[in-house]
Amino acid sequence: EVQLVESGGGLVQPGGSLRLSCAASGFTVSSQYMSWVRQAPGKGLEWVSILYSDGSTYYADSVKGRFTISRDNSKNTLYLQMNSLRAEDTALYYCASSMVYATFDSWGQGTLVTVSS
Amino acid sequence: DIQMTQSPSSLSASVGDRVTITCRASQGINGNLAWFQQKPGKAPKSLMYATSSLQSGVPSKFSGSGSGTDFTLTISSLQPEDFATYYCQQYQSYPLTFGGGTKVEIK
Repeated sequence: EVQLVESGGGLVQPGGSLRLSCAASGFTVSSQYMSWVRQAPGKGLEWVSILYSDGSTYYADSVKGRFTISRDNSKNTLYLQMNSLRAEDTALYYCASSMVYATFDSWGQGTLVTVSS
Repeated sequence: DIQMTQSPSSLSASVGDRVTITCRASQGINGNLAWFQQKPGKAPKSLMYATSSLQSGVPSKFSGSGSGTDFTLTISSLQPEDFATYYCQQYQSYPLTFGGGTKVEIK
């Protein structure tokens, strides 16, 4: 059974950094499309970043240059390093995986990031 | 960027009703469209991909259709567990984009 468990969220000041983790089980993160999707309070879904099995990465313009997606195959874990955080980055961050397409077949439960002074 | 526009943004329906949600892309997406269901306080759940391919375990009362820029999600007979917000998403090109969501409420 595919399971994704996010962690690392919390309260951070504007300009600060945070690293989110997504521990996967039931499959290997290196074999699938792995993504981060966020949802601001009361708002819709917004794609953040994706990591392909071949190591290619893509980012939303709103986070490009500030966020970095990566994985640790030995820990079967996906990461999102978030730097220069802004108030508008406040959201519930979901980890998601997909076997074939750049979509989101399986989701974690999310981890909340709050950027505020 | 490809913009995804869902309509309606919300609807009220009764148990047993047939419900259709529309998703329009700002340019052709070659059928590279997925649908998601999200209930309050829960993570989204994938319903289908490639316009009409159901994810494993998703009941057949959900169906998808469309081509080019216009797509629909249909629920054939609405049940209490189907009251939720539904999102479409295109994966034709980056950035990946979602529709604004359609909230299905009980009449």
